[in-house]
Amino acid sequence: ETGVTQSPTHLIKTRGQQVTLRCSSQSGHNTVSWYQQALGQGPQFIFQYYREEENGRGNFPPRFSGLQFPNYSSELNVNALELDDSALYLCASSLGASGRAGEQFFGPGTRLTVL
Amino acid sequence: QQQVKQSPQSLIVQKGGISIINCAYENTAFDYFPWYQQFPGKGPALLIAIRPDVSEKKEGRFTISFNKSAKQFSLHIMDSQPGDSATYFCAASGRGYQKVTFGIGTKLQVIP
Repeated sequence: ETGVTQSPTHLIKTRGQQVTLRCSSQSGHNTVSWYQQALGQGPQFIFQYYREEENGRGNFPPRFSGLQFPNYSSELNVNALELDDSALYLCASSLGASGRAGEQFFGPGTRLTVL
Repeated sequence: QQQVKQSPQSLIVQKGGISIINCAYENTAFDYFPWYQQFPGKGPALLIAIRPDVSEKKEGRFTISFNKSAKQFSLHIMDSQPGDSATYFCAASGRGYQKVTFGIGTKLQVIP
């Protein structure tokens, strides 16, 4: 069973640029969530995708957008990068089901630095 | 608005001692309370989790105590080891929609 993988591991961008981060979910999982973890803080929920549809969004501006593909892998896109976007971006996969929340399994993250 | 409050933010425990981390939540719609362990440069890893229909769950040296009426839960690490040194996050999520709300984290250092 393959775990959650993310690419790239590290990324350096300049302010105003755009970035795309990628995530492959764990085998058998159909739900992907993205989180932003600033240094010294807990992860903050960005949004979640369930069967290729957005299934909830946290308090992040529209320049944060995402996609989920038929194989349940996912992308996080951030436009017009700002210095405060520098963080560890985490992807988590889970098996979506109605009724009860379930376990989420996290990838190693992508460290984004905005200069 | 911090929906899951965690304390302390840092903790130093001697090897063999008990590490205790406390969390409190506000949203009564939460029905799943996981704890995550994170090492530097890694993503959080699920350690142990509990649902509000039980008051305690134990897995090896790790125990969650849950008080539904007080809306509080805690993690106890028995016989703490230097390898347990990491950042621990309590978290909570609700029905049908799997957003996980994290606490601020506790950096645990176990000294020999």
